[in-house]
Amino acid sequence: EVVLTQSPATLSLSPGERATLSCRASQSVSNYYFAWYQQKPGQAPRLLIYDTSNRAAGIPARFSGSGSGTDFTLTISSLEPEDFAVYYCHQRYTWRKTFGQGTKLEIK
Amino acid sequence: EVQLVESGGGLVQPGGSLRLSCAASGFTFSDYWMSWVRQAPGRGLEWVANIKQDGRDKQYVDSVKGRFTVSRDNAKNSLYLEMNSLGAEDTAVYYCARDSGDFDTWGQGTLVTVSS
Repeated sequence: EVVLTQSPATLSLSPGERATLSCRASQSVSNYYFAWYQQKPGQAPRLLIYDTSNRAAGIPARFSGSGSGTDFTLTISSLEPEDFAVYYCHQRYTWRKTFGQGTKLEIK
Repeated sequence: EVQLVESGGGLVQPGGSLRLSCAASGFTFSDYWMSWVRQAPGRGLEWVANIKQDGRDKQYVDSVKGRFTVSRDNAKNSLYLEMNSLGAEDTAVYYCARDSGDFDTWGQGTLVTVSS
């Protein structure tokens, strides 16, 4: 099982600031099999980024993903009020797909 | 519009059984793997099971193997999850998701509560 560890657990920022969320895998993961999801309270998760750095349909350009091997990053260049949510990283490199424990992005 | 709608959740006693359904619309259901993902109250996401387009290949997380069975009916554009021997640890919102490798479409979820 590939364990994904996200940091920080909670990130407190203000609108307009830059957010950097990290995810570390317990073993190397191919870039083609790494993604990020956003989940707002009471809603289902939504795919944000796939294949490490590709934005899913309808996702604004302020969201970007990067990384390789065991270290991956989600960056939100300038936070909008609607971006405050929980973010999960995800790998499908192994047949047992796993998620990180989540980073809560909250308004400071 | 691509849509997934789950149903069948509810309150069940420990050791009991439940069958979840997911109705798909807006896409060619038989072209996709499909998955179930769950989220315990206040917790993160856990992939539970998936099933290949023709229903012949299925995979499960270890914690549900032998207790849960995923199936599909492509003629009815429907996905199912049969859950047996339920325990408190199975209490969660269960989402069905279109599995294109990543989960690119999700239903709204159905809550399963295991309690006496």
